[in-house]
Amino acid sequence: NAGVTQTPKFQVLKTGQSMTLQCAQDMNHEYMSWYRQDPGMGLRLIHYSVGAGITDQGEVPNGYNVSRSTTEDFPLRLLSAAPSQTSVYFCASQTRRLAEETQYFGPGTRLLVL
Amino acid sequence: AQSVSQHNHHVILSEAASLELGCNYSYGGTVNLFWYVQYPGQHLQLLLKYFSGDPLVKGIKGFEAEFIKSKFSFNLRKPSVQWSDTAEYFCAVNVRAGGFKTIFGAGTRLFVKA
Repeated sequence: NAGVTQTPKFQVLKTGQSMTLQCAQDMNHEYMSWYRQDPGMGLRLIHYSVGAGITDQGEVPNGYNVSRSTTEDFPLRLLSAAPSQTSVYFCASQTRRLAEETQYFGPGTRLLVL
Repeated sequence: AQSVSQHNHHVILSEAASLELGCNYSYGGTVNLFWYVQYPGQHLQLLLKYFSGDPLVKGIKGFEAEFIKSKFSFNLRKPSVQWSDTAEYFCAVNVRAGGFKTIFGAGTRLFVKA
């Protein structure tokens, strides 16, 4: 199993550009989520999905869109990039949306918005 | 508001020293507690977790953590660190509230000198 994969690993954008961060998992996990990691702030939840066709907002959803057309893929779209979106983005998945389940993380995407 | 506090942002130890990383959370209801580790250039991965039973939890690589409910704490310990323990450590709490919400601490960067 590849686990959770993310592409690209690094990206530089100009303000106003759009892009999609890709996330895929091959563990047949129902639950997937996107976090951003900023210095001194830990990981903050952007959006999550409890299954194909179902998504919901986390604590910092503004400026981001998601969709879940398949169990495997959960892309994150930046509609109009802003410097405040410079961050490291992690995708995670888990078997079920239960509090005791372990999350499995991807390697992260480092995004710089100029 | 619910939050997770990790007391030290940076810790430097010599090999064979003992380690204790503090983690406190603010939430009065049922919680599940996790410690994740991120080695340089790698994914976040689970070190250990607590969801019920014995409050002293043992994880991988000789790490353990103790859940003290009265102190809202879940401190991570290791009796003797190794150079290979150099990493960033994240405490996370799943707060059960209409499903659950994951709250991460800001992380502690540990550097172990050989």
